[in-house]
Amino acid sequence: AQSVTQPDIHITVSEGASLELRCNYSYGATPYLFWYVQSPGQGLQLLLKYFSGDTLVQGIKGFEAEFKRSQSSFNLRKPSVHWSDAAEYFCAVGSGRGSTLGRLYFGRGTQLTVWP
Amino acid sequence: DTAVSQTPKYLVTQMGNDKSIKCEQNLGHDTMYWYKQDSKKFLKIMFSYNNKELIINETVPNRFSPKSPDKAHLNLHINSLELGDSAVYFCASRPTSGGYNEQFFGPGTRLTVL
Repeated sequence: AQSVTQPDIHITVSEGASLELRCNYSYGATPYLFWYVQSPGQGLQLLLKYFSGDTLVQGIKGFEAEFKRSQSSFNLRKPSVHWSDAAEYFCAVGSGRGSTLGRLYFGRGTQLTVWP
Repeated sequence: DTAVSQTPKYLVTQMGNDKSIKCEQNLGHDTMYWYKQDSKKFLKIMFSYNNKELIINETVPNRFSPKSPDKAHLNLHINSLELGDSAVYFCASRPTSGGYNEQFFGPGTRLTVL
């Protein structure tokens, strides 16, 4: 069955520091992978996605993620965090087959706190 | 220019009441979803409609009834509200042509059942 694990419930970093949020997935076929961000009281905004091709994908707001099939991982990174990056981050895997086409399975989220 | 909109944004009601949440998308997408986000921020799909037809129906109590009058709208009606229904409900939409595509989410409706 499809599942997504985000091992870190809460991460705190200082502004300007680098960031890596971990995501591991379980999926039997080629995964469609996403990172979404949810600011307090807001909906989910897509940061980046991986469907195929280059395993290092660039997203909005200076984020990038690397797909590693051998590790079933899709970790999100940012070289220098800004205070406005404080939010909840969700990794998701999308089903690409049959009747479940397009269904998203979300991880439980990682809350990012940024110290000034 | 709102892409996916939901009304209301906040909904506070008593146990046992019936309430509806509306969702509209102006993106021309043909698949729409309802998700429930619980108090621990976990997001779980509830329903999905494609061209007004139900294609995903998770193990949701039958007190919840989605309705899609047309491709641009997906409403959620909840009967006999219970305390455990308190959550944030998100609507999302996705195009199904042109290969695999991501979902676009609405701002959410925070439902509080007292």
